[in-house]
Amino acid sequence: NAGVTQTPKFQVLKTGQSMTLQCAQDMNHNSMYWYRQDPGMGLRLIYYSASEGTTDKGEVPNGYNVSRLNKREFSLRLESAAPSQTSVYFCASLWTGGSGYTFGSGTRLTVV
Amino acid sequence: GDSVTQMEGPVTLSEEAFLTINCTYTATGYPSLFWYVQYPGEGLQLLLKATKADDKGSNKGFEATYRKETTSFHLEKGSVQVSDSAVYFCAHAHMDSNYQLIWGAGTKLIIKP
Repeated sequence: NAGVTQTPKFQVLKTGQSMTLQCAQDMNHNSMYWYRQDPGMGLRLIYYSASEGTTDKGEVPNGYNVSRLNKREFSLRLESAAPSQTSVYFCASLWTGGSGYTFGSGTRLTVV
Repeated sequence: GDSVTQMEGPVTLSEEAFLTINCTYTATGYPSLFWYVQYPGEGLQLLLKATKADDKGSNKGFEATYRKETTSFHLEKGSVQVSDSAVYFCAHAHMDSNYQLIWGAGTKLIIKP
């Protein structure tokens, strides 16, 4: 099925551990985004990539790094997880022409 | 700065009631406007959108009109169903900001049979 695939769906980390959230899209979209969703708040942009080989910070980039490995894949890395990074993470890709987005199903991350 | 304000939830209605979820925004220029829906345990799905003033987006019986003069994009449905229970997010994006989505906090809708 065409769309955005995120892995894993769930993850529990201990404080200080590292991990990488994977995201891949098969729609040949140029722009991809990582958001986090916290209770009672809208999604907040962590990083985005307007095209292969470029990445830019969003609203809340601290504690994260990203890699746009190729046009399909955009990964998010937590180098040293903190409890404040407990959240649901969504990856999205932008439709050609900017008229909409497709979201992945999310990764629920808990840092203890 | 740019922002989106939605009515606070939860909004609880009986089946077949009329629904309005208010959304207002602040933005430079004329962004595209979106409503996304998140069903329990699922990701975000685009419900409808509008890209210019006076456009009406519609889908699954939901409608919203891009009102430039009031900077609003209120979501409406004439007769809600239990299956409409979800969290609804209003958002906008502009090409000048690389289409970064600016989100409202979400409104939880609960429909009782």
